[in-house]
Amino acid sequence: QVQLQESGPGLVKPSQTLSLTCTVSGGSISSAAYYWTWIRQHPGKGLEWIGYISYSGSTYYNPSLKSQVTISVDTSKNQFSLKLSSLTAADTAVYYCARSTLCGRDCYHPLDFWGQGTLVTVSS
Amino acid sequence: DIQMTQSPSSLSASVGDRVTIACRASQGIRKYLGWFQQKPGKAPKSLIYAASSLQSGVSSKFSGSGSGTDFTLTISSLQPEDSATYYCLQYNSYPWTFGQGTKVEIK
Repeated sequence: QVQLQESGPGLVKPSQTLSLTCTVSGGSISSAAYYWTWIRQHPGKGLEWIGYISYSGSTYYNPSLKSQVTISVDTSKNQFSLKLSSLTAADTAVYYCARSTLCGRDCYHPLDFWGQGTLVTVSS
Repeated sequence: DIQMTQSPSSLSASVGDRVTIACRASQGIRKYLGWFQQKPGKAPKSLIYAASSLQSGVSSKFSGSGSGTDFTLTISSLQPEDSATYYCLQYNSYPWTFGQGTKVEIK
């Protein structure tokens, strides 16, 4: 069974850059069948899709965050990462990593496995 | 961006009740709609994909229907462990977008 685990700082100062890593275990990140995604949830609010990366490094970012976001993949470590720059208090949220699975032509399992989430607080 | 609107925002029902949650897309999304369950302090869990396909390991009391712009999630017989917030997700086009959530409580 695949497992995902987020790691990174719980507290970051305004204007700094947040770096989070998602470690994948129980399966290889290097498969064309999988897409690796970051999602966040502001305290007490709904879910916001940040972006995804494929094993080959192709990415798509939410236009609302595009200027701040970089997602990368390290296949040697079975990890993918999120960098979010120019942080403000509005970036305080629980950040989740998740996997989506391409199961065939016109078949897609969106966000079928999730990490437990990590709370990031932006404060001086 | 495609807007996803869920209704109701919250509901309270009794054990054994049949519960239905609606999700409407601001434009057609074919069948590319998923449903997720989130309990407090936990990550969301995938229940349904492709509008009506049950995710592996998920109880058959959950079912989904719809296509185009209107979708529903049904819980056939509500149990205490179903108390949670439910979200729909469109993945027809980027950026993927979620509904605002429906909080289900047990009377």
